[in-house]
Amino acid sequence: AQKITQTQPGMFVQEKEAVTLDCTYDTSDPSYGLFWYKQPSSGEMIFLIYQGSYDQQNATEGRYSLNFQKARKSANLVISASQLGDSAMYFCAMRGIHTGGFKTIFGAGTRLFVKA
Amino acid sequence: DTEVTQTPKHLVMGMTNKKSLKCEQHMGHRAMYWYKQKAKKPPELMFVYSYEKLSINESVPSRFSPECPNSSLLNLHLHALQPEDSALYLCASSPTGTGSRGYGYTFGSGTRLTVV
Repeated sequence: AQKITQTQPGMFVQEKEAVTLDCTYDTSDPSYGLFWYKQPSSGEMIFLIYQGSYDQQNATEGRYSLNFQKARKSANLVISASQLGDSAMYFCAMRGIHTGGFKTIFGAGTRLFVKA
Repeated sequence: DTEVTQTPKHLVMGMTNKKSLKCEQHMGHRAMYWYKQKAKKPPELMFVYSYEKLSINESVPSRFSPECPNSSLLNLHLHALQPEDSALYLCASSPTGTGSRGYGYTFGSGTRLTVV
């Protein structure tokens, strides 16, 4: 069975500062992918960043980076230089190969508030 | 064109009504998904279509009936719904194949469904 855990229901960060959103996971799949999505109040889910389980380096995409610690089964999202537009719900997600790579499960989410 | 378009954006229906949700993408993605999201909860997978064939059905009640008439379109037919079916219904698409592992899903903005 696969499981994603996000233990921070809500986070506050000052504009222009960095923030880390926590994510831990559990899976028996030998190969899997970890994803982060952003969901603004409009409802659309926006794909931010991907980390493969065999990737040696941590993924980065602009102001987003993923702190991947495989032994600890954690995949934390780091947002640098926070902006007011970063205020949203953030979901950590995982996709394994056991269903042909079609089944993505999501964590409970963390709501981020960016203060001016 | 890097969009997934969902219509309608809002839908109110009675428990005896029949309605359909529509999802369209023109990115050449051959996997399409329906997710259900209740307020303040993560999305939950309902159905997956791969190459226009139903690949995954997450034990969804038969009052929800998916259809994939071609590679660009995905429908969700609704009949005799219950008030607890009120939710945001999200459609997503993704590439398939061995080179698609690092791709996140492209989501539509969803249909907010209210069953009265």
